[in-house]
Amino acid sequence: AQSVTQLDSQVPVFEEAPVELRCNYSSSVSVYLFWYVQYPNQGLQLLLKYLSGSTLVKGINGFEAEFNKSQTSFHLRKPSVHISDTAEYFCAVTQGGRALTFGSGTRLQVQP
Amino acid sequence: DTEVTQTPKHLVMGMTNKKSLKCEQHMGHRAMYWYKQKAKKPPELMFVYSYEKLSINESVPSRFSPECPNSSLLNLHLHALQPEDSALYLCASSQVGTTQYFGPGTRLLVL
Repeated sequence: AQSVTQLDSQVPVFEEAPVELRCNYSSSVSVYLFWYVQYPNQGLQLLLKYLSGSTLVKGINGFEAEFNKSQTSFHLRKPSVHISDTAEYFCAVTQGGRALTFGSGTRLQVQP
Repeated sequence: DTEVTQTPKHLVMGMTNKKSLKCEQHMGHRAMYWYKQKAKKPPELMFVYSYEKLSINESVPSRFSPECPNSSLLNLHLHALQPEDSALYLCASSQVGTTQYFGPGTRLLVL
């Protein structure tokens, strides 16, 4: 069975500061990893994904994530956040084409 | 183009009503999904269709009835819902076994 843990339910940060949202997963086999963002009253938008290859993955809106197999982590980072980055962020995992398993989400609150 | 469309955007229905949610994609994806999302929670998988056949039903009550008329279209028929079924219903599509792309959702309120 696979599971995803997002330890931080909320992350407050000031505008233009760097941010890291943490995601750890557990799986006994190779996985695909994803970060989705959900703005208020909207659906989920794919930020970035790791399927294979380079462990540093760049996504939209200046976000990037690093796959660390030994630590079973896939943390999301942005060097300088904007007010518009305020949203809910979900880490998700799937293995071998099975359905997505989501983490509980992290609310990023960017303050001026 | 990675667009999944959903209609309606909002829906209010009584517990005796019958309504349907519609989802459409034109990306050639052969897997389509329904998720239910309650406030401040992650999406929960309800159904998966693969090559127009139901492949996963996550023990969803029979008052929710999915239908996949063709490879581009996914419906969710609703009948005799309960107030606790009020939620955001999200549709997603993917090539089988790969990245899922989500629609904007239908916000459902059951009175």
